[in-house]
Amino acid sequence: GAGVSQTPSNKVTEKGKYVELRCDPISGHTALYWYRQSLGQGPEFLIYFQGTGAADDSGLPNDRFFAVRPEGSVSTLKIQRTERGDSAVYLCASSSDGETGNIQYFGAGTRLSVL
Amino acid sequence: AQKVTQAQTEISVVEKEDVTLDCVYETRDTTYYLFWYKQPPSGELVFLIRRNSFDEQNEISGRYSWNFQKSTSSFNFTITASQVVDSAVYFCAPARGGNTPLVFGKGTRLSVIA
Repeated sequence: GAGVSQTPSNKVTEKGKYVELRCDPISGHTALYWYRQSLGQGPEFLIYFQGTGAADDSGLPNDRFFAVRPEGSVSTLKIQRTERGDSAVYLCASSSDGETGNIQYFGAGTRLSVL
Repeated sequence: AQKVTQAQTEISVVEKEDVTLDCVYETRDTTYYLFWYKQPPSGELVFLIRRNSFDEQNEISGRYSWNFQKSTSSFNFTITASQVVDSAVYFCAPARGGNTPLVFGKGTRLSVIA
């Protein structure tokens, strides 16, 4: 697609439920990143993929968070046993390997609300 | 680890004024990149500029210009003749070379008043 696409745009869930957030990167971009942004804060890194493998998952807050990118394109961020503190906007970005590599292009985000 | 300080939490200017957004970063890397992103009320982060640590030449691109001073670890961003559409939160972010994560500060909220 033309840009990074994230679905759903909004997700409301109850405490303890499982959620999946999807990111469809710019076509051909090899790197994909997940960030989380709380109100009034800058985005906070969670995990990034180079191809299919997670190159760095040091930002995942705990083992309730997991992300996959099985075919090196679409990625899914999975959150188990959601807590109210997980409420935030989850942002996805992608970048290429070419001359403009490491310029990250962001999606519109998924606003997660845990009630 | 890298770190960013954007000391200005909020700035308010009148349309057509020039405004400079300050950024001070910390890094132990000898080579790195610096970015500015804009986040308008719609929420989507928009890439503005990128600079690598090799090149301290300051540039102008349209109404945007930047001042990179490696000696003081500062990467300030200036908007000339501000417009209402410039109202947004602006983030400075360093990153290591290659495809690596950005490290964001808390951002500076710019309000341009007509």
